[in-house]
Amino acid sequence: NAGVTQTPKFQVLKTGQSMTLQCAQDMNHNSMYWYRQDPGMGLRLIYYSASEGTTDKGEVPNGYNVSRLNKREFSLRLESAAPSQTSVYFCASLKGRDYGYTFGSGTRLTVV
Amino acid sequence: RKEVEQDPGPFNVPEGATVAFNCTYSNSASQSFFWYRQDCRKEPKLLMSVYSSGNEDGRFTAQLNRASQYISLLIRDSKLSDSATYLCVVNVLDQAGTALIFGKGTTLSVSS
Repeated sequence: NAGVTQTPKFQVLKTGQSMTLQCAQDMNHNSMYWYRQDPGMGLRLIYYSASEGTTDKGEVPNGYNVSRLNKREFSLRLESAAPSQTSVYFCASLKGRDYGYTFGSGTRLTVV
Repeated sequence: RKEVEQDPGPFNVPEGATVAFNCTYSNSASQSFFWYRQDCRKEPKLLMSVYSSGNEDGRFTAQLNRASQYISLLIRDSKLSDSATYLCVVNVLDQAGTALIFGKGTTLSVSS
């Protein structure tokens, strides 16, 4: 099915472990985004990539790194996971300024 | 000031009721506006874009007031299936590209 695919769907990490969240879209969109969603906080932008080869910080980038591997793929890496990074992570892509996002189904991450 | 502020919830209404959600945004340069719907533990999905002239999609009507930096969503003849969280979203355009800023959402519960 066309859209945004995120893996894994669930993950439990121990404090200090690292992991990479994968995201791929097959809609030929230029812009891709990573958000986290916490209860009472809404969706907050971590990093985004306006086009292949570029990445920029969003509202809450600390503790994360990203890679725009190609036009299709945008990964999010946690180098040393902390309990404060327990959250639901959503990847999204954007067709253009006047269009809304298409979201992946999310990754539920727990750091213990 | 928060970039996007929404009515506090939850809204609890009976089937058939009309309910309105309001949203204000702080960035006067924002050009694109959206309402998203998010079901529990699911990804947000685009409900409708919001145009300056106002727009309607079935039982849903969206309005934009640029002078007051205010967006609204009206739902008529509420259905049980309308129960969800509704997110107000505006774009922010900077040198790096476009990113969407989300409000924290308003929860609607429709009961029989």
